[in-house]
Amino acid sequence: QQQVKQSPQSLIVQKGGISIINCAYENTAFDYFPWYQQFPGKGPALLIAIRPDVSEKKEGRFTISFNKSAKQFSLHIMDSQPGDSATYFCAASMNKAAGNKLTFGGGTRVLVKP
Amino acid sequence: SAVISQKPSRDICQRGTSLTIQCQVDSQVTMMFWYRQQPGQSLTLIATANQGSEATYESGFVIDKFPISRPNLTFSTLTVSNMSPEDSSIYLCSVRGGQGLDGYTFGSGTRLTVV
Repeated sequence: QQQVKQSPQSLIVQKGGISIINCAYENTAFDYFPWYQQFPGKGPALLIAIRPDVSEKKEGRFTISFNKSAKQFSLHIMDSQPGDSATYFCAASMNKAAGNKLTFGGGTRVLVKP
Repeated sequence: SAVISQKPSRDICQRGTSLTIQCQVDSQVTMMFWYRQQPGQSLTLIATANQGSEATYESGFVIDKFPISRPNLTFSTLTVSNMSPEDSSIYLCSVRGGQGLDGYTFGSGTRLTVV
């Protein structure tokens, strides 16, 4: 059972444009929602993360929007650059009692065209 | 932030053989996680390894196929046993902490090809 659904699977955006990736979750016990960026041949690297008591978090060109009632969260990449071309994964985890396991979305391959 | 060294970075193995992947962390951590990432796919958790106790395996993964050792708080190994071409994947270890209070850090992965 896929607990975190991510869309779209792939995305092409022009340089300077906005990349938007969406995720939906089912388990209301999730309390930590990170986004990871992965380049070919590398492990995923934490990009930005949010907890459900906050509706938005911004770090540089990256913003997470969180809608607790809809059980959805999204990543916005502003002013997209060719160096942002990578695969992005949303994820979710529960508190310590549940073992801190990360459940990943299916991933979105982003290509930023110059 | 925590730094993870994973070895080997890649290997090509014959079917029926076993490969042991090592994960070394530069700080002591309670839990280490092993993931599998099949080509072009997302990450799937194989097991959680706590020091001093048996690893906890996720549904679909068994100890006989993926034995894990966790001898101390900075090191773990994952063995892929009796390999078949279906085991061709990237295997990654991960620890919690380092990149922010709740962040998880990943190693660069081991790219395994079984022929």
